[in-house]
Amino acid sequence: ILNVEQSPQSLHVQEGDSTNFTCSFPSSNFYALHWYRWETAKSPEALFVMTLNGDEKKKGRISATLNTKEGYSYLYIKGSQPEDSATYLCAFRRAGTASKLTFGTGTRLQVTL
Amino acid sequence: DVKVTQSSRYLVKRTGEKVFLECVQDMDHENMFWYRQDPGLGLRLIYFSYDVKMKEKGDIPEGYSVSREKKERFSLILESASTNQTSMYLCASSPGQGGSQPQHFGDGTRLSIL
Repeated sequence: ILNVEQSPQSLHVQEGDSTNFTCSFPSSNFYALHWYRWETAKSPEALFVMTLNGDEKKKGRISATLNTKEGYSYLYIKGSQPEDSATYLCAFRRAGTASKLTFGTGTRLQVTL
Repeated sequence: DVKVTQSSRYLVKRTGEKVFLECVQDMDHENMFWYRQDPGLGLRLIYFSYDVKMKEKGDIPEGYSVSREKKERFSLILESASTNQTSMYLCASSPGQGGSQPQHFGDGTRLSIL
C-alpha cells in the first residue's frame, strides 16, 4: 500500500489568515496528484489534478504547487473565509494503476470569524 | 454537472445480513469506485470497475463483492455484514480516457451494522 501523508492533521485559523497544507507522496512512478475539498454533509469536490513537475494551479483564493522529484504538493488558501472550512484531501495516482487513487488522511481546516 | 447518486444516506442493518449499496452515475463514465471512510484512516478503495462486468480489487476487498451489469450502475455487496463494516461508504466515477480526470463522488452512505 502506498504512503500518502498530509500535514497538519487539523488547522484552526482566523478569517483573513492565509494558510497552507502539505501532501507527501512516493516520488517514483508518478502519474498524477489530485486535491479534493470535502465539506461536512457534502460529497468531496475536485479542486485540482496536477500532472507535471513544477505545475502550479489556481482557483480563486486557492492554489497548489507540485514537486514530483521530491514527492510533495502544497495547497495554499489566501485570505481564509468561514466557507473554506472543510477537510482537504490529496490523492496520488501511480503510473500503470488504471485510475486508482491512494488518498491521504486529510487536513481538517476550521476558519472562524 | 456529473451526478453520482447513492441509494441511501443512512442505513442500519443487522450482523449476518446481506447488504446492497447502490450507486448510479449519469455521465457515461467508464470508471466507478467504492471507498470506505473511517476516522483517522482516510478514504480506502474497496473495489473499482473500468468497464461493464469488469472489476478489480482495491486495498480492502475482504468481505465485499461488487456488481456492474450496466455502465451507469455499480453495486457494493456485503455478503454477511459484520460490525467492523460499520462505516461511511462513498461511490465515485471518472471518465476512462486520460489520466488527469478527477473523480466525482456521491454524497455517501453511512452504514451501521448492529
